[in-house]
Amino acid sequence: ETGVTQTPRHLVMGMTNKKSLKCEQHLGHNAMYWYKQSAKKPLELMFVYSLEERVENNSVPSRFSPECPNSSHLFLHLHTLQPEDSALYLCASSQVRGFYEQYFGPGTRLTVT
Amino acid sequence: SQQGEEDPQALSIQEGENATMNCSYKTSINNLQWYRQNSGRGLVHLILIRSNEREKHSGRLRVTLDTSKKSSSLLITASRAADTASYFCASTGSARQLTFGSGTQLTVLP
Repeated sequence: ETGVTQTPRHLVMGMTNKKSLKCEQHLGHNAMYWYKQSAKKPLELMFVYSLEERVENNSVPSRFSPECPNSSHLFLHLHTLQPEDSALYLCASSQVRGFYEQYFGPGTRLTVT
Repeated sequence: SQQGEEDPQALSIQEGENATMNCSYKTSINNLQWYRQNSGRGLVHLILIRSNEREKHSGRLRVTLDTSKKSSSLLITASRAADTASYFCASTGSARQLTFGSGTQLTVLP
């Protein structure tokens, strides 16, 4: 148990659906991250939030929309996804943004049909 | 752009043997970190080595860093079946974000 939880753990959605992924950290950290992990590819950083401000958006398509209402919660809103968006989506947090170790949640396995 | 490249991509050893994984990166770093991931789960931080350090130990783990060669290695001694997992290196540079490699899949046979 790393202190970072993610829900749901598994999600199957059609290309026209709208869904949201939720992440919560109980560590008092100030930075939170969304990563995408696809088969045979390195982890891809999608978004970074520091003190609830988005500081990184690594050319992620607009069908992915993050939200950080407070320093403990992070959401990833999904709409009109493509089959190639099927992947494991991982949330992480760190004490501050930058050079510190990150604590990861268990991930949400997303399948787009 | 991808920084870390792990070598080998897959490693299979007997319980009790040592496992060595290597990582290369491309640009200057502040630190290099190693993570472990059990199948389909989140990553767990193992160890962090700063750019001014050459070697670091944590339990059965030993990490080395050679900044002149832009490479690092992770040694797991006296491996156990429970060490079976994927291992990733991740570098942190001026962009203040982790850049992960593709990982080494370690299988420890009982």
